[in-house]
Amino acid sequence: DIQMTQSPSSLSASVGDRVTITCRASQGISKFLAWYQQKPGKVPKLLIYAASTLQSGVPSRFSGSGSGTDFTLTISTLQPEDVATYYCQKYNSAPTFGQGTKVEIK
Amino acid sequence: QVQLVESGGGVVQPGRSLRLSCAASGFTFSSYAMHWVRQAPGKGLEWVASISYDGNDKYYTDSVKGRFTITRDNSKDTLYLQMNSLRPEDTAIYYCAKDVMLWLVRNYFDSWGQGTLVTVSS
Repeated sequence: DIQMTQSPSSLSASVGDRVTITCRASQGISKFLAWYQQKPGKVPKLLIYAASTLQSGVPSRFSGSGSGTDFTLTISTLQPEDVATYYCQKYNSAPTFGQGTKVEIK
Repeated sequence: QVQLVESGGGVVQPGRSLRLSCAASGFTFSSYAMHWVRQAPGKGLEWVASISYDGNDKYYTDSVKGRFTITRDNSKDTLYLQMNSLRPEDTAIYYCAKDVMLWLVRNYFDSWGQGTLVTVSS
């Protein structure tokens, strides 16, 4: 089974900072990768699919990159409303999520 | 707009059964694959099961194979998850989720319900 590993598990950054979250697959998955945002007490929301395609309605400060085994989610300018846990998920076969990265404001 | 409303959760003893439902509206339910995803309290997301738009193809994570069954009734716009032989480690919020693409099982999710909590405890 392909495992998805995110780093870091948590981070604290200031408003306006650039934030980068990494997701690594244990085997190559081409670009079959999605990113979700889950705000505290809320349901997950799809942000990005196909590794770098922004879902409709998602602010442009979010971006994704990568292919194969290494992927990143970048928030170009962190906003207070971005406090959430972010999950990567592979979808080339059985869906598998990373363990999540909790983003807080410093 | 898409609405997914889960029901059927509750407290159940280990070894017992429970059936979850997910009522869908706001889209053509019969044209989309559907999924169940769970989240243990304070933990991450775990995919549980998927079903094709017509119900002919079903997929399960290993830990629930042989115990859980995903079905759908397209005449009622409703998704189900029959959970048998429940274990304490099945304790979680169970979300139903809509696949992103018409007809295909694309395996990522653009709409989620609010979830229903299942607690397995004696």
